[in-house]
Amino acid sequence: DAGITQSPRYKITETGRQVTLMCHQTWSHSYMFWYRQDLGHGLRLIYYSAAADITDKGEVPDGYVVSRSKTENFPLTLESATRSQTSVYFCASSERWSSQETQYFGPGTRLLVL
Amino acid sequence: GDSVTQMEGPVTLSEEAFLTINCTYTATGYPSLFWYVQYPGEGLQLLLKATKADDKGSNKGFEATYRKETTSFHLEKGSVQVSDSAVYFCASYSGAGSYQLTFGKGTKLSVIP
Repeated sequence: DAGITQSPRYKITETGRQVTLMCHQTWSHSYMFWYRQDLGHGLRLIYYSAAADITDKGEVPDGYVVSRSKTENFPLTLESATRSQTSVYFCASSERWSSQETQYFGPGTRLLVL
Repeated sequence: GDSVTQMEGPVTLSEEAFLTINCTYTATGYPSLFWYVQYPGEGLQLLLKATKADDKGSNKGFEATYRKETTSFHLEKGSVQVSDSAVYFCASYSGAGSYQLTFGKGTKLSVIP
């Protein structure tokens, strides 16, 4: 199906483990984004990518790594998970990025770090 | 930097009641403004947007008007339904080289029959 998908939808891990969250979009959108959603904070941008091989930090990048070797994929890696990274993670994409553009969101990955 | 402030929730309304969710923003220049909705267990979906002052965004019976003089973008609906139960996020984007949407903290709406 066309759209933006995330996997896994739910993940439980332990402190110190490496975790990778996957994001895949079928629209060939140039821009992709990773957000985390926490109670009392709304959504905060972790990293974004303007095209393949171009990534940059958002508001809360510490503890996360991203890559974008293909336009359609934008994985987010927690190199050494911490309890503070327990959150719901949303991937988003947009065709262009301007004040007129809409971001399209995936269904989210709920991550619990024990 | 930019910021968005929404009214605190949760909000509980009876079916067919009038809904207002307040949203104010601070930004450099004149941002574009958005309302996103998140239904239980799902990602965010764009509900409506406005890109310049006095624009009115509308969708599914919801409306919001971009008020530059009060820096506001309040969401309204004349008659809510149980299916409108969700979390609503106000967001702004001011450009200026940034790719970041700035979100409010979200307002949870519950509509009871």
